[in-house]
Amino acid sequence: NAGVTQTPKFRILKIGQSMTLQCTQDMNHNYMYWYRQDPGMGLKLIYYSVGAGITDKGEVPNGYNVSRSTTEDFPLRLELAAPSQTSVYFCASSWGGGADTQYFGPGTRLTVL
Amino acid sequence: GNSVTQMEGPVTLSEEAFLTINCTYTATGYPSLFWYVQYPGEGLQLLLKATKADDKGSNKGFEATYRKETTSFHLEKGSVQVSDSAVYFCALPHRGGAQKLVFGQGTRLTINP
Repeated sequence: NAGVTQTPKFRILKIGQSMTLQCTQDMNHNYMYWYRQDPGMGLKLIYYSVGAGITDKGEVPNGYNVSRSTTEDFPLRLELAAPSQTSVYFCASSWGGGADTQYFGPGTRLTVL
Repeated sequence: GNSVTQMEGPVTLSEEAFLTINCTYTATGYPSLFWYVQYPGEGLQLLLKATKADDKGSNKGFEATYRKETTSFHLEKGSVQVSDSAVYFCALPHRGGAQKLVFGQGTRLTINP
């Protein structure tokens, strides 16, 4: 099993550009999550999903959108990138909810200039 | 919802020193408790967990005991190695039956040879 994979690993965007961060898991997990980690800081939850077709906002959803059309994929869309979105983005998945182990991808390092 | 307070870092120790990283929580009931570790340039991974009060989680020489009397889940290791240098996160479910985790702010640990 590959676990949780994320693409790209690195990306530089100009202000106002848009992009999609890809996340795929091959563990048949129901739950998927997007976090951002700013330098020297902890994790902040952006969006999460409890199954295909169901998504919900986390702590910091503004400026982002998600969709979950399949169990495996949970892309994160950035519209109109801003410097405040410079961060490392992690996707994670788990079988159950909060009491279950979350498995994290390797992260995408995004810089907005 | 539930919350967690984690010892601020950074923490710097010499190899073979004893390690304690404090974590206290506020929660309704007795949720599962977790320690995650993030090695440089990687995503988080589960280090250990405890699913009920008085349980001890252990892995890679690390231990943490779920103490309901003091609402604590401190991480300990008797003899640290350079390879233990990482950021450590304490976490618990957002609330009973929750779909997401709440993470502490992280403690950066550096072990010098």
